[in-house]
Amino acid sequence: QVQLVQSGSELKKPGASVKVSCKASGYTFTSYAMNWVRQAPGQGLEWMGWINTNTGNPTYAQGFTGRFVFSLDTSVSTAYLQICSLKAEDTAVYYCARDTGPFDYWGQGTLVTVSS
Amino acid sequence: QLVLTQSPSASASLGASVKLTCTLSSGHSSYAIAWHQQQPEKGPRYLMKLNSDGSHSKGDGIPDRFSGSSSGAERYLTISSLQSEDEADYYCQTWGTGIYVFGTGTKVTVL
Repeated sequence: QVQLVQSGSELKKPGASVKVSCKASGYTFTSYAMNWVRQAPGQGLEWMGWINTNTGNPTYAQGFTGRFVFSLDTSVSTAYLQICSLKAEDTAVYYCARDTGPFDYWGQGTLVTVSS
Repeated sequence: QLVLTQSPSASASLGASVKLTCTLSSGHSSYAIAWHQQQPEKGPRYLMKLNSDGSHSKGDGIPDRFSGSSSGAERYLTISSLQSEDEADYYCQTWGTGIYVFGTGTKVTVL
């Protein structure tokens, strides 16, 4: 069955970087794009962008350019989200989601907490 | 601009039905949407894709109690025979060329 398994919670200081992983199984990884979604505490879902799992070409939504980097390791069917120069407002749960138009499978989420 | 509008909250009694609405912005009434459920302290779960003609395809294991329908720019999610585990936030999602949009979510309370 399709599964997206994300890495565990992270506690980081402002200015540090974090890399979240999303390992896919149960399907051909390169057949579907992968999206990233942010959910700040008590807030709704916010689309961050997507990565073409064939070419590795990322597309970033408005507000997610510069400090956010999507990448892949297709040899292990894994997508990555890296956030650089972390700020307190980056504190959120980050989800990966498989793209078939709708997001039909979601990772369990990774809580990133930024605090001094 | 592609925007989805949802009411903030809805409620109904255990065993009753509730109908949620997601409204597409002007000029986008032909767009398909998806409905997602997010139970407290859990990640989102895909419920269904809903087309403009009301046809829909559900995700794996989604009970028959969940159904979708459409009228113009409005997309609906009906939950019948409400159960306690249906208490959750429900988000609609749509997509265009290179862009994906979520509604602000509707919190469903089971009375």
